[in-house]
Amino acid sequence: GNSVTQMEGPVTLSEEAFLTINCTYTATGYPSLFWYVQYPGEGLQLLLKATKADDKGSNKGFEATYRKETTSFHLEKGSVQVSDSAVYFCALTLPSGGYNKLIFGAGTRLAVHP
Amino acid sequence: DVKVTQSSRYLVKRTGEKVFLECVQDMDHENMFWYRQDPGLGLRLIYFSYDVKMKEKGDIPEGYSVSREKKERFSLILESASTNQTSMYLCASSFNMGGYNEQFFGPGTRLTVL
Repeated sequence: GNSVTQMEGPVTLSEEAFLTINCTYTATGYPSLFWYVQYPGEGLQLLLKATKADDKGSNKGFEATYRKETTSFHLEKGSVQVSDSAVYFCALTLPSGGYNKLIFGAGTRLAVHP
Repeated sequence: DVKVTQSSRYLVKRTGEKVFLECVQDMDHENMFWYRQDPGLGLRLIYFSYDVKMKEKGDIPEGYSVSREKKERFSLILESASTNQTSMYLCASSFNMGGYNEQFFGPGTRLTVL
């Protein structure tokens, strides 16, 4: 079946450190891939997306590249800030007539210290 | 700005009670979704609706039902609440057009069943 696997957290970093959160997927067909972010006390927000192989999604200094050969979509940021502390979810969707059902990973909590 | 609102941020109910969770969106979206979020499991789809009075089961519909009488409102119903339904519940909405349509999330309702 279709699934998403993320690295377990929490990830604890100092401000300005480099961030990588690993995400791999299993899917039949050609999924679109997403990173969502959930700040404390809030719902999820779309952070970035990639809809085909070798696409790079980017937003707010975060990047992720859709790698079909390794079925991965790792999230990276060159220099994290305290305000990036949140839970990050990797997700995929497969074309399904417009319903766009999302399949989520377990989430990775990031804590950034000054 | 897209707005998805949920009726309560926190709710405490007793085992056996009938519980209603309400979600309202103001973007005229066709699709609406209910997820539950549990630590280590990510988000799991309970039910979704692609039109008024239409509904489809998600991955974990047991113990839940839904109602969509108006386009902007989607209700999740726990017919007889149980302690294993203690969780965070997230509502989302999206358009229903070709390709991927971003889902917009509400802030969530943290339900505790005693």
